[in-house]
Amino acid sequence: AQKVTQAQTEISVVEKEDVTLDCVYETRDTTYYLFWYKQPPSGELVFLIRRNSFDEQNEISGRYSWNFQKSTSSFNFTITASQVVDSAVYFCALSETNFGNEKLTFGTGTRLTIIP
Amino acid sequence: EAQVTQNPRYLITVTGKKLTVTCSQNMNHEYMSWYRQDPGLGLRQIYYSMNVEVTDKGDVPEGYKVSRKEKRNFPLILESPSPNQTSLYFCASTEGTGGSGYTFGSGTRLTVV
Repeated sequence: AQKVTQAQTEISVVEKEDVTLDCVYETRDTTYYLFWYKQPPSGELVFLIRRNSFDEQNEISGRYSWNFQKSTSSFNFTITASQVVDSAVYFCALSETNFGNEKLTFGTGTRLTIIP
Repeated sequence: EAQVTQNPRYLITVTGKKLTVTCSQNMNHEYMSWYRQDPGLGLRQIYYSMNVEVTDKGDVPEGYKVSRKEKRNFPLILESPSPNQTSLYFCASTEGTGGSGYTFGSGTRLTVV
């Protein structure tokens, strides 16, 4: 069975600090997709990134960057120069296709608090 | 605008009173799914549907029903809600295969008293 582990339950950092959110996954599939979602206090899920298993290039989008390492089954997320608006719960997720079920397996989330 | 619409956004109900949470998508996606989110557990799949009239259980289906009579709609039905179904619910749709990504509704916060 697929599994996603986000070992950091809660993280607090002072504004402008850099912070990395960890994500470790388990899968037997050779083709899979990894996601990060942001959930602000309002509750909706905001899509941040999708990465397929064949693309190990790191990605940067503004202050956000992602490090995908198949060798360690990790897909970590770094926020540079954090801002108060980054305060949210962040979920890492893994997609699988199992007999037609396009299921997302989520981690338990990391609550990030940015202290002004 | 491509979107998944869930209603209601918030709902407080009493134990045993049947309720339906609606979900509609305008992207002609074949695949739709329901998840519930609970503290410390992340999101877990309740039911999914691969197409019209094709539905199946996810990881936590007990106490829920679904139907897929039309491609765009995938309602979640709680025949006799109980307090342990108090949760945040999300509907999602996708074209199929994780590569096309998922579109989530805004969520329904359900409280059963």
